[in-house]
Amino acid sequence: QSVLTQPPSASGTPGQRVTISCSGSSANIGGNSVNWYQQLPGTAPKLLIYSNSQRPSGVPDRFSASKSGTSASLAFSGLQSEDEADYYCATWDDSLSGWVFGGGTKLTVL
Amino acid sequence: QVQLVESGGGVVQPGRSLRLSCAASGFTFSSSGMHWVRQAPGKGLEWVTLISYDGGKKYYADSVKGRFTISRDNSKNTLYLEMNNLRAEDTAVYYCAKEIGTPFDSWGQGTLVTVSS
Repeated sequence: QSVLTQPPSASGTPGQRVTISCSGSSANIGGNSVNWYQQLPGTAPKLLIYSNSQRPSGVPDRFSASKSGTSASLAFSGLQSEDEADYYCATWDDSLSGWVFGGGTKLTVL
Repeated sequence: QVQLVESGGGVVQPGRSLRLSCAASGFTFSSSGMHWVRQAPGKGLEWVTLISYDGGKKYYADSVKGRFTISRDNSKNTLYLEMNNLRAEDTAVYYCAKEIGTPFDSWGQGTLVTVSS
């Protein structure tokens, strides 16, 4: 049972807009920045979004993210087949004094 | 470019020990916090431990506290994870990841640890 709650799966068709949620508490998301990671099949995770909504260089602007209160979300505008992957949110938890990841969301492009 | 290369994984019996290494290059290792994150087969990511840039601060997940020890040698640009009293549930791919301002901004390719009799 992960401290951060994500839907186990999400799907969409090419070009569609899709969002993935990440729900936490005041001990984690409520007081700390959220980061998002993409894990393509058979590969190591890759940083996708940091500090709630910032994209590292090289990440397309069709990926966006936001945070409100104790929840965060990752959005894909114009879904592409290469976006099919697992996505994880992560943040620091003040109660645990450690990092926590969401359980991950498997995104399928239909 | 940034490179993180893990090694030391393998098959080990329950209760035994194993030491993982992560060789870093392409960035100023001595300025970077470093993490270990693991992923059990078919499961999600689990943060394991973090060490500050100078080794002065260490943090552990409850699941490994008292059994695992993180350390680093900045003269060798190498991160370590000493794992003792291993259990079946420690079976996972172990990734090292760096943090200079941005957590987990680069990851290694991982090394597989299998705990089995």
